Amino acid sequence: GENVEQHPSTLSVQEGDSAVIKCTYSDSASNYFPWYKQELGKGPQLIIDIRSNVGEKKDQRIAVTLNKTAKHFSLHITETQPEDSAVYFCAASGWEYGNKLVFGAGTILRVKS
Amino acid sequence: NAGVTQTPKFRVLKTGQSMTLLCAQDMNHEYMYWYRQDPGMGLRLIHYSVGEGTTAKGEVPDGYNVSRLKKQNFLLGLESAAPSQTSVYFCASSTGVGNTEAFFGQGTRLTVV
Repeated sequence: GENVEQHPSTLSVQEGDSAVIKCTYSDSASNYFPWYKQELGKGPQLIIDIRSNVGEKKDQRIAVTLNKTAKHFSLHITETQPEDSAVYFCAASGWEYGNKLVFGAGTILRVKS
Repeated sequence: NAGVTQTPKFRVLKTGQSMTLLCAQDMNHEYMYWYRQDPGMGLRLIHYSVGEGTTAKGEVPDGYNVSRLKKQNFLLGLESAAPSQTSVYFCASSTGVGNTEAFFGQGTRLTVV
């Protein structure tokens, strides 16, 4: 089955700096890669996703890149703000797994003001 | 529009007791999922359902049972709670078509003593 590894486990940045979180996946059949943000005491919420037919996607200050050959994808947050502080999860899924999401272990992002 | 609602939000059980967690969604989604979240381990899939009357095992199904008698509800049962089942439980739902967004509930924090 699919296995997703996520790094780093914690990340501290100064407000205004960029943050990058990286994930690798094991199964080349995976074709959908979402990123979720989880604030304290809440459930995860989708912030951006990318499909295997696209190499990069951007939405305002966040962007995701996908390298299918190397089987890794990354989340980029620019001009970080204190409200970006949260836990971020990457995930992968594909038709072979019935569209079940397999999550990485999560990254705690702290933005220091 | 409530989205995904989990009941209860908190619960403390004694070892050996049983309980049922209720998940309700009002988005007419076909797919529903139960995850558990433990520190440093991300979200792990317990059981899932691809439609009313169907259930399937996920990554960590032992000690849990589920039922999907109505499309909008997905119940997670613990027949004989163990301390290892202390966790935060999240329910999610999705349309299930084309690897679309999964919507999560607020979570249930369960402690087994």
